[in-house]
Amino acid sequence: SQELEQSPQSLIVQEGKNLTINCTSSKTLYGLYWYKQKYGEGLIFLMMLQKGGEEKSHEKITAKLDEKKQQSSLHITASQPSHAGIYLCGADTGSGAGSYQLTFGKGTKLSVIP
Amino acid sequence: DTEVTQTPKHLVMGMTNKKSLKCEQHMGHRAMYWYKQKAKKPPELMFVYSYEKLSINESVPSRFSPECPNSSLLNLHLHALQPEDSALYLCASSPYPGQDEAFFGQGTRLTVV
Repeated sequence: SQELEQSPQSLIVQEGKNLTINCTSSKTLYGLYWYKQKYGEGLIFLMMLQKGGEEKSHEKITAKLDEKKQQSSLHITASQPSHAGIYLCGADTGSGAGSYQLTFGKGTKLSVIP
Repeated sequence: DTEVTQTPKHLVMGMTNKKSLKCEQHMGHRAMYWYKQKAKKPPELMFVYSYEKLSINESVPSRFSPECPNSSLLNLHLHALQPEDSALYLCASSPYPGQDEAFFGQGTRLTVV
């Protein structure tokens, strides 16, 4: 089965600092999803990456999928308290159309100190 | 409307009770999912409905019974649960199985006493 390893497990940064969260897969990634979760709440979709070398940005968050499609990074520029939460990477473990399944990493807990 | 709505937000039930969790979306999505998330753990897939038919059951005990009455609604019927079933239950939907991002609801916090 596919496993996703996230690092670091937790991160405390000063407001305004940049940070990076990594997600490494034990198998080739066919679809890599980044979600943010506030404690006890639902997941908020951030970005989806599918192609090797792909990079997407939304506001101050940039996500990349490496060429070999086994690692993704999430970079936050000039962090703000609103960025605090748990960041989860999820991988599509399905083998094709109609077999959508998401396996998640254990998450990275981000705290931003004002 | 880009929301997945889950009710109730919180539920406390005894081990002999029967209760149901409800999930609703009006985005025309044809795939809907139930996830279970224990504290400090990532969500784990339970069931996948594709075009209102159960396509994936991740070896979930029969005390959890999913139902998809129509393309907008997904229920999870609960019966004879155990305290270890206490968790956050998340519903999600996506336009089609295997494509694009899934939209998640806010979850139902279930406590079994």
